[in-house]
Amino acid sequence: NAGVMQNPRHLVRRRGQEARLRCSPMKGHSHVYWYRQLPEEGLKFMVYLQKENIIDESGMPKERFSAEFPKEGPSILRIQQVVRGDSAAYFCASSPNIGGGNTIYFGEGSWLTVV
Amino acid sequence: AQSVTQLDSQVPVFEEAPVELRCNYSSSVSVYLFWYVQYPNQGLQLLLKYLSGSTLVKGINGFEAEFNKSQTSFHLRKPSVHISDTAEYFCAVSPSPQGGSEKLVFGKGTKLTVNP
Repeated sequence: NAGVMQNPRHLVRRRGQEARLRCSPMKGHSHVYWYRQLPEEGLKFMVYLQKENIIDESGMPKERFSAEFPKEGPSILRIQQVVRGDSAAYFCASSPNIGGGNTIYFGEGSWLTVV
Repeated sequence: AQSVTQLDSQVPVFEEAPVELRCNYSSSVSVYLFWYVQYPNQGLQLLLKYLSGSTLVKGINGFEAEFNKSQTSFHLRKPSVHISDTAEYFCAVSPSPQGGSEKLVFGKGTKLTVNP
């Protein structure tokens, strides 16, 4: 049973380019979360999605960032016109359902470096 | 809103010594509490969680944590650490225990370094 799969693991982008990070949740999981980890910081919640729906995007920057979780295929976190401050580790997590303190399972992360 | 404070950013210890990593939280509602471990360049792995019941929770790799509601703390302990425990440890709370999402609020982490 494969875990949460993220790719690419490492991505280098020049300022102004676009970054696309992909996440395939664990089998049977329909809830996906994206977190960002800045250097020397803990993880910060960005967005929570179910298939074809954004449920909570309270942690997403207002501009340049978007996320989707289509009916088929992985969840995508898209960052347009990247800036140096976007350099961080982006973690995807998934859970089978909600409520009751379910464990959410994290992927190994995608490290974005903006040069 | 919820917040989590990990009181020590770095904790160096010698192998086979006991260790305690401190975590305090604030919340106006009941919460679930979690400890995660992150090895270098890897994702987070759940060590243990407190949902309800016994305040002493046992997790993987010999770790345990005690929930103290009056002190709003959830400190992580291990009686004898190994070199392989060297990692960063994150305390987290779930602000929606009755439904909603499993959105977690994390502390800034504590880097545990176990020296020979």
